[in-house]
Amino acid sequence: QSALTQPPSASGSPGQSVTISCTGTSSDVGGYNYVSWYQQHPGKAPKLMIYEVSKRPSGVPDRFSGSKSGNTASLTVSGLQAEDEADYYCSSYAGSNIFYVFGTGTKVTVL
Amino acid sequence: EVQLVESGGGLVQPGGSLRLSCAASGFTFSSYEMNWVRQAPGKGLEWVSYISSSGSTIYYADSVKGRFTISRDNAKNSLYLQMNSLRAEDTAVYYCAREPDTAMVDYWGQGTLVTVSS
Repeated sequence: QSALTQPPSASGSPGQSVTISCTGTSSDVGGYNYVSWYQQHPGKAPKLMIYEVSKRPSGVPDRFSGSKSGNTASLTVSGLQAEDEADYYCSSYAGSNIFYVFGTGTKVTVL
Repeated sequence: EVQLVESGGGLVQPGGSLRLSCAASGFTFSSYEMNWVRQAPGKGLEWVSYISSSGSTIYYADSVKGRFTISRDNAKNSLYLQMNSLRAEDTAVYYCAREPDTAMVDYWGQGTLVTVSS
């Protein structure tokens, strides 16, 4: 059960955009449209930002968007704001044997 | 208001056991699939176990298979994780997580810390 691969860090200035990648295999990210993204501030529980690759739960700003191409999913945060500074994790369904797998996490810094 | 409140964490010696509980409120617990997800100190999230709404379908991560047992009591609106043969690498904050649809968690508890150390 290998974790999905994310870059350790990403950064951008306020108002800019940042895109985080999440690379898996054809057995997880590439095989299902069940990729989710979570935001986690220090000491807090994660918060769902994107589900089923590109859907946003109610209350999540439309500055957050998701996409997928092949075995790689991406989260884009547009119009960066100070409160977007957090850790971000992707996750994917991986079939009935492995079930779920999380990404390694990306720390987003707003410069 | 949806609430998930974990309890039962603490310090335990290697090889020991611990039972975590998660009390759910503010929603129809019996209608939702549930998960346990953990996070070692300073590390990323790791999925631990899944249980269907009825309890009839259960999955475990390879790292805990054979040592951990997930269960639920829909009459008591509660989720459990029995952890046996604990190892140092099981040290983590354990989150109870509600799954409204496939592979997504919309509510998380505040977490309970399990420390495995002699």
